[in-house]
Parts: sequence; structure tokens; C-alpha cells
Amino acid sequence: AQSVSQHNHHVILSEAASLELGCNYSYGGTVNLFWYVQYPGQHLQLLLKYFSGDPLVKGIKGFEAEFIKSKFSFNLRKPSVQWSDTAEYFCAVLGDSGGYQKVTFGIGTKLQVIP
Amino acid sequence: SAVISQKPSRDICQRGTSLTIQCQVDSQVTMMFWYRQQPGQSLTLIATANQGSEATYESGFVIDKFPISRPNLTFSTLTVSNMSPEDSSIYLCSVRPGTGGIYGYTFGSGTRLTVV
Repeated sequence: AQSVSQHNHHVILSEAASLELGCNYSYGGTVNLFWYVQYPGQHLQLLLKYFSGDPLVKGIKGFEAEFIKSKFSFNLRKPSVQWSDTAEYFCAVLGDSGGYQKVTFGIGTKLQVIP
Repeated sequence: SAVISQKPSRDICQRGTSLTIQCQVDSQVTMMFWYRQQPGQSLTLIATANQGSEATYESGFVIDKFPISRPNLTFSTLTVSNMSPEDSSIYLCSVRPGTGGIYGYTFGSGTRLTVV
């Protein structure tokens, strides 16, 4: 069965600091990976995704993530965070389970950016 | 990507009653999913609903407690039956575009349920 681990549950950064949120997954097949963001009071939105090809994936709002197969990781990065990046971030993996595909989410990381 | 309308957005319900949550999509989708997000926890898949077939429930979730309907390719409902305070959670509908997950899964705005 697939699983996702997010190691940082709560991160506090000052504006302009660099961000890296860790995500490790466990899945034996071909992986499809996502990062979702949930801003306060809003619903989940897709930030970026990896299916194949270039392991460095660029998403919206200056975010990027790198798929490192050997490390089973898909860490999210942003060189300079803004106050508006305050949100909860979820890593997710899409895999086969019992003959159909399903998405498994990590526990989420709450990011607080201090002005 | 698909746009999802989910309602109600929130509700406060009495113990022992049932609540039906509706999920309407602006395009036809093959697969619809229902998730639960309990306070301080991640999203947990409740079931997968395909049009024209019985929903497939994940371990720990049963049809008697969470009956699901999927009458067509744009609509689904999830009922939370015989509610208890432990059912207080956010319930989310999600869809996978017909071309598969390559475009990512889209989520509704969620239903925040409080059982008293």
C-alpha cells in the first residue's frame, strides 16, 4: 500500500526566507506525485504535479519540487516566501490499490510566514 | 480543470441524525471521490464512486454509515448516517478528469460538519 510522510508539521519562516518542505513516499509502482495547498478558509488547490520526464517540476506562485527516485522524495521548494504563502501544504501520491487508482495524502505541513 | 460545487458548506447536526452532502461537477467525470479531513489530520479517502456501479469503500468505512449515490456523471451525494460527535469533520468531494490523473485531482470546497 502506498503512504506519504511529511516530516515538518509546522514551519514558521520570515518573509524572503527560503522554503523546503520534505515529502517521502512509499509505493512500489510508477509514481505520480502532487503537492496541494490549502489557504486559510479555502479549498484544496493543486500546486504542482509530477508524472514523468524532468524530475524538477515547476508549479504556480514560484513553487517547485524535485522528484528524487533513489530517495523516494518529492520535496517542495520556494527560494523566497511571502506572507501570502501562509497555508497548509499536502504532499500526495497516486497509485494503484486493489485494481483502481487512488490518491494518498500526507498529514500536511502548516506554513506560517511572518511579515 | 473541473469546477466542483459542494453543499452545504457547513452544518451543525444533532447526534443520531443524518446529513446528505451534495457534489455537483460542471463537466462529466468518470470517477468521484469522497474524503474526510478530521481536525489535525490529513485527508482520508472514504470511498470511490463510479457512475452506474456500487461505490468502493476504503478500510474502516462502510456503506451503512456512509451511503453514496452516483446517479450520473456530474453528481454524487454522500450521506453521513446516525451521526455522533466523532463524525465531526470536513468532508470533501474530489474528481478525476476523464483523461486521468495527469491533470491532477480537483477538490470541492468541503462541508464542515459539527455533530453536537
